[in-house]
Amino acid sequence: DAGVTQSPTHLIKTRGQQVTLRCSPKSGHDTVSWYQQALGQGPQFIFQYYEEEERQRGNFPDRFSGHQFPNYSSELNVNALLLGDSALYLCASSLDPGAGGGEQYFGPGTRLTVT
Amino acid sequence: RKEVEQDPGPFNVPEGATVAFNCTYSNSASQSFFWYRQDCRKEPKLLMSVYSSGNEDGRFTAQLNRASQYISLLIRDSKLSDSATYLCVVNKKGMRFGAGTRLTVKP
Repeated sequence: DAGVTQSPTHLIKTRGQQVTLRCSPKSGHDTVSWYQQALGQGPQFIFQYYEEEERQRGNFPDRFSGHQFPNYSSELNVNALLLGDSALYLCASSLDPGAGGGEQYFGPGTRLTVT
Repeated sequence: RKEVEQDPGPFNVPEGATVAFNCTYSNSASQSFFWYRQDCRKEPKLLMSVYSSGNEDGRFTAQLNRASQYISLLIRDSKLSDSATYLCVVNKKGMRFGAGTRLTVKP
């Protein structure tokens, strides 16, 4: 049973550039959530996708956008990168968002460094 | 005020000790509650869900007090392998994580 996978594992970008991160959910899961985790902090909720739509969103600017595909995989896009966007980006998948949120399973993350 | 607040830690305890983590949350409409553990440079992994009636999984006991908006995690007979960061998580229109409490269990 394949778990959550993310790509790439590491990425280095320059300020002002754009980046796309990818996530494939655990087999059988239909909901994907994205998080940003800065060093020494807990993950911060960016947004959640279900049925190819953004269902919930945390307190992140519009520079952060996403997409979910019919096969439930997802992308996170960040435009106009800032130094402060350097972090570990985690994707998590789950089932049944309508019931208040099921258990989430995390991928290994993509470590983004903005220089 | 942060949505989820945890003991700042770190906690350094000897093997076999009992250790308790506390967590408070600000949104009374929160729907579900969890404890996750995160090892250094790894992704968070679900430790256990937390129910109002309290629940136990081996050496781990979780409690939820909705009236006080308070969640706890008790680890009994701690092992070296329990060393990790413990994250309190509250779900209300998205999972909200605390900053985590680092636990180090020493021989």
